[in-house]
Amino acid sequence: QQQVKQSPQSLIVQKGGIPIINCAYENTAFDYFPWYQQFPGKGPALLIAIRPDVSEKKEGRFTISFNKSAKQFSLHIMDSQPGDSATYFCAATGDSSYKLIFGSGTRLLVRP
Amino acid sequence: EAGVAQSPRYKIIEKRQSVAFWCNPISGHATLYWYQQILGQGPKLLIQFQNNGVVDDSQLPKDRFSAERLKGVDSTLKIQPAKLEDSAVYLCASSPRGGAGVTDTQYFGPGTRLTVL
Repeated sequence: QQQVKQSPQSLIVQKGGIPIINCAYENTAFDYFPWYQQFPGKGPALLIAIRPDVSEKKEGRFTISFNKSAKQFSLHIMDSQPGDSATYFCAATGDSSYKLIFGSGTRLLVRP
Repeated sequence: EAGVAQSPRYKIIEKRQSVAFWCNPISGHATLYWYQQILGQGPKLLIQFQNNGVVDDSQLPKDRFSAERLKGVDSTLKIQPAKLEDSAVYLCASSPRGGAGVTDTQYFGPGTRLTVL
């Protein structure tokens, strides 16, 4: 119940494409869902986060879509650029647990 | 504002040897986390400190791993003795408040890549 399942494992798109990364969870106590971006040799960095009281959140070219009934959320990257090539992790936590549970990661490659 | 500092960046040891990692969190951050990131997987929380007290160490293999946070600031994570399966990147993170009932951003350091031969 503590797992967060992430797919796909890897993704290749052309510049300008819209990669979509999906995550699913089981624990209904989760109420905070961040996405982290990690470049090789660096630690993960917070990209964008959402709470389940909204179905969508946009920050620049990054959008989270959230489906509470399906217990799923996804990251969309609009007008993707080669500089977006990185590994993306979804995560989840609940205020009562505070522990971040990470997905397994998606390696994104954006071709020029 | 300086980020989370970690050292060393890389370490190679033989199995059964000991190793220690050091973390200096962002100044003023109350909460410090140690994560283990095995290649191809997401980070897994090992231990969480709130100031200098342990909040959660449920996933820390206590027979070989230990951690402390001196005076609520710097922290060290030790493995003694190391096993082959301990090969991973060890990430330190800090957050301003943290703790039960509080969700705030965790800032990660660059990690220490450990190879156990």
